[in-house]
Amino acid sequence: DVKVTQSSRYLVKRTGEKVFLECVQDMDHENMFWYRQDPGLGLRLIYFSYDVKMKEKGDIPEGYSVSREKKERFSLILESASTNQTSMYLCASSPLGTGGEEQYFGPGTRLTVT
Amino acid sequence: QKEVEQNSGPLSVPEGAIASLNCTYSDRGSQSFFWYRQYSGKSPELIMFIYSNGDKEDGRFTAQLNKASQYVSLLIRDSQPSDSATYLCAVNMVYSGGGADGLTFGKGTHLIIQP
Repeated sequence: DVKVTQSSRYLVKRTGEKVFLECVQDMDHENMFWYRQDPGLGLRLIYFSYDVKMKEKGDIPEGYSVSREKKERFSLILESASTNQTSMYLCASSPLGTGGEEQYFGPGTRLTVT
Repeated sequence: QKEVEQNSGPLSVPEGAIASLNCTYSDRGSQSFFWYRQYSGKSPELIMFIYSNGDKEDGRFTAQLNKASQYVSLLIRDSQPSDSATYLCAVNMVYSGGGADGLTFGKGTHLIIQP
């Protein structure tokens, strides 16, 4: 079974804090993704990576950065958290060369910024 | 702006009937189409994907694709209360960086199967 894990299910941070969201997959997938999901806005792609140290911007990268130092781990960084970054964050992974038919999601991290 | 549109619902269907979920997309270059099911408080899970025009069947689920009309649909036959969930339509967009393709999602349709 593909397993994508995220470091926290729930997280509460203060405005201005630096926040790290961690994602780990155990299936040796090349591709990893970060999405956020908001009511009325759906799932939106923030960043993705297809190799170690590689990253690509998605649809809404502003206010976020990412790090991929190891193949199995993809981190999302909020340099200075703001209340509009309160959201559900979902990590996903897939093998290289697949078009999405093998994209698996982690359980999500619900982040609240106060 | 690439867009994927879905009716947000709720769509209410009697148990045992056929549920029909629809999705349109704006980018004619889209190549792959996906349906995810998401239960409340859970992450999305893939239930169907389709690449070619026509129908694709998997158990009680049928995905239909019409690229000329930029339209994709999901039919659920013999609907069960356990099918009550939000259904997300997603489209594969090829980003300029190559390699990985991130999905563009619709906002989802909330389906309620009434016992």
